Amino acid sequence: QKEVEQNSGPLSVPEGAIASLNCTYSDRGSQSFFWYRQYSGKSPELIMSIYSNGDKEDGRFTAQLNKASQYVSLLIRDSQPSDSATYLCAVTTSGGSYIPTFGRGTSLIVHP
Amino acid sequence: DAGVTQSPTHLIKTRGQQVTLRCSPKSGHDTVSWYQQALGQGPQFIFQYYEEEERQRGNFPDRFSGHQFPNYSSELNVNALLLGDSALYLCASSYPSGRGSTDTQYFGPGTRLTVL
Repeated sequence: QKEVEQNSGPLSVPEGAIASLNCTYSDRGSQSFFWYRQYSGKSPELIMSIYSNGDKEDGRFTAQLNKASQYVSLLIRDSQPSDSATYLCAVTTSGGSYIPTFGRGTSLIVHP
Repeated sequence: DAGVTQSPTHLIKTRGQQVTLRCSPKSGHDTVSWYQQALGQGPQFIFQYYEEEERQRGNFPDRFSGHQFPNYSSELNVNALLLGDSALYLCASSYPSGRGSTDTQYFGPGTRLTVL
């Protein structure tokens, strides 16, 4: 069973701080990694994708991938109250199926 | 550039009834996937359609069926509804196979199904 694990939270951070969201996965053959943001009652919105070990930055967001440790994280710098949402980690496993497995998400609360 | 669209937005049914949900993919996309998201859970893969055929299927019973039309739009049908089918149903589309990022899923707004 291919699994993607996330701490459900909530993770509470003050406005302006760095929020760090973590995700682990079980399949060593995993190839593609995604972070989605989901506001309450809405659908998931793609934030970032990452395919290679290391860091990938996009604005205030940085995705970090460590395939040896089977770990992917999302850092949000200068957190804003509008960043308060559930963050879903998704992993596409080996075999070319292109079907991502989602974690249950981490709830982030950014308080003023 | 039109994104993924879904209809209806909300739906209320009773146990035993049948429901059909509809999805139009993002412009330029030909692959449509359906997910079920229960409260507090991540999306669970139901099935994927490509070239009007079911290409892959998740761990869902045969009560869940689908269809893809020549214009790439898709339907999800659920028969003999159970209380446990209450969830947010998400449609996602992705780029044509053979191009990059075929596994990047772009979600529609979802259909909230309530079974009473």
